[in-house]
Amino acid sequence: GENVEQHPSTLSVQEGDSAVIKCTYSDSASNYFPWYKQELGKRPQLIIDIRSNVGEKKDQRIAVTLNKTAKHFSLHITETQPEDSAVYFCAASAGTGTASKLTFGTGTRLQVTL
Amino acid sequence: NAGVTQTPKFQVLKTGQSMTLQCAQDMNHNSMYWYRQDPGMGLRLIYYSASEGTTDKGEVPNGYNVSRLNKREFSLRLESAAPSQTSVYFCASPGAIGENYGYTFGSGTRLTVV
Repeated sequence: GENVEQHPSTLSVQEGDSAVIKCTYSDSASNYFPWYKQELGKRPQLIIDIRSNVGEKKDQRIAVTLNKTAKHFSLHITETQPEDSAVYFCAASAGTGTASKLTFGTGTRLQVTL
Repeated sequence: NAGVTQTPKFQVLKTGQSMTLQCAQDMNHNSMYWYRQDPGMGLRLIYYSASEGTTDKGEVPNGYNVSRLNKREFSLRLESAAPSQTSVYFCASPGAIGENYGYTFGSGTRLTVV
């Protein structure tokens, strides 16, 4: 089955700096790569996703890049703010049609300091 | 409001007791999923249901059973709880039209087995 590795497990940046979280996946059939943000005690929430036919996607301060050849994808957060502090999870899915089982990375705890 | 409703939010069980976690979605989606979240291990798939009437094992199914009662509801049952099942449990369903899409998660159930 799919295996997703995520690094780093913790990341501390100063407000205004950029943060990068990297993930690798094992199943070459994977074609959907979402990122989730989870605040303390809350549910994970989708913040951005990318499909295998696209190399990069941006949404304001957040961007995701995908390298299918190398089987890795990354989350980039620019101009970080204290409210970006949370745990971030990457995931991958080879699903088509009626079921898309997501395999998650182990998470990155991002702390944005003032 | 469209989404995933999960109950209960908290539960404490004694070893050997049983309980059922309830999940309902009002998005008219076919697939539903149960994950458990443990520190440092991300979210791991317990069981999923690709459509009404079907269920399949995920990565960590031992000690659990599921029922897809109808298109809306997907329950998770612990027949004889063990301390190793202490975890936060999330139900999820795709968050938009089309099954191969990011999940909407329920609010989670924090289960402690003593």
